[in-house]
Amino acid sequence: KAGVTQTPRYLIKTRGQQVTLSCSPISGHRSVSWYQQTPGQGLQFLFEYFSETQRNKGNFPGRFSGRQFSNSRSEMNVSTLELGDSALYLCASSNGHPKTQYFGPGTRLLVL
Amino acid sequence: KNEVEQSPQNLTAQEGEFITINCSYSVGISALHWLQQHPGGGIVSLFMLSSGKKKHGRLIATINIQEKHSSLHITASHPRDSAVYICAVFGNEKLTFGTGTRLTIIP
Repeated sequence: KAGVTQTPRYLIKTRGQQVTLSCSPISGHRSVSWYQQTPGQGLQFLFEYFSETQRNKGNFPGRFSGRQFSNSRSEMNVSTLELGDSALYLCASSNGHPKTQYFGPGTRLLVL
Repeated sequence: KNEVEQSPQNLTAQEGEFITINCSYSVGISALHWLQQHPGGGIVSLFMLSSGKKKHGRLIATINIQEKHSSLHITASHPRDSAVYICAVFGNEKLTFGTGTRLTIIP
């Protein structure tokens, strides 16, 4: 089976812009979770989608949003980008909880 | 205080040494994950535990639910084991991560 894929892999934006990141889970996996990793805060949970519904959300401002499509692919959007949003954004898929999470390679976002 | 604490933060050892990384948590959990992250960012799930012990090759993971503690052991360490090892607990329907242990194995 193909692994989790994320696009784009690298992205440079300026403050105030918005960005959309995409995640394609492993075939058959219905759960997609998003995480932010920064040198200062480490890995933090953003949100989880299961069968097109947001099942849980971490402590991030409303500028961070996501959605999941009927084929389980997921997107996350960050509006009004801030310098502090520069991070590695990882998604992971699984076929339930608590199950092994399979991580994608991540999207590295730089906000200038 | 962080909900998930790892120790040590950094560990340098000679090839062949036995390695132990510890993880303590303060919340109720249904499972604990050990993850490996190589330079460049890719994360691989090594183990998911809810009780007892698991072994995969040279890696062993244990968990003590009563003491809220888990350990990751690497036997006969090798330079390719150099990576950041992250403990993550699944509770309240989400993963909470430790800050990671940076392991460097010197040939």
